[in-house]
Amino acid sequence: ETGVTQTPRHLVMGMTNKKSLKCEQHLGHNAMYWYKQSAKKPLELMFVYNFKEQTENNSVPSRFSPECPNSSHLFLHLHTLQPEDSALYLCASSLASGGFDIQYFGAGTRLSVL
Amino acid sequence: GQQVMQIPQYQHVQEGEDFTTYCNSSTTLSNIQWYKQRPGGHPVFLIQLVKSGEVKKQKRLTFQFGEAKKNSSLHITATQTTDVGTYFCAGPGGGTSYGKLTFGQGTILTVHP
Repeated sequence: ETGVTQTPRHLVMGMTNKKSLKCEQHLGHNAMYWYKQSAKKPLELMFVYNFKEQTENNSVPSRFSPECPNSSHLFLHLHTLQPEDSALYLCASSLASGGFDIQYFGAGTRLSVL
Repeated sequence: GQQVMQIPQYQHVQEGEDFTTYCNSSTTLSNIQWYKQRPGGHPVFLIQLVKSGEVKKQKRLTFQFGEAKKNSSLHITATQTTDVGTYFCAGPGGGTSYGKLTFGQGTILTVHP
């Protein structure tokens, strides 16, 4: 148990569905991240939040919409996804102490888009 | 932007053989981290190196940070089936985001018993 909990663990959705991924950290961290990990690609950073504010969006399509209501919770809202969006979505958190952060990952949500 | 290159992409070894993965950065790093992701799992932090030329050991794993702080390696002695997984190196991501890391592509290790 890393202190970062992601739900659901598995999700199957159609291209017209709307769903949300949830991430919660119990580590007192103030930075949270969404990553996409596909079978043939390395970890792709999607979004970074520092102190609830989005500080980075790595050219992610607008069908992915993040939300960070507080430093402990992070959501990824999904709508009108494409089959190529099927992947493992990982949430991570860190203390954001400035350059020496260790990231703690959740177990991920395995997403399949039909 | 900063890039972290990792080689090889895949490594297949017989149990008992040694394994090494290499990480190279386009810029000098203040530190480098290594993570392991077991099949079906998520990345888990292994170690952080900070000093130039630093060498750290964890049982059969030896981690090195280059003198110029632009490269690093992970060496596993006498691999075991429990070593299978993907090994990632990561350096500070730069930019304005606190805590951001730039990950290498990872080396997928398979160990044949």
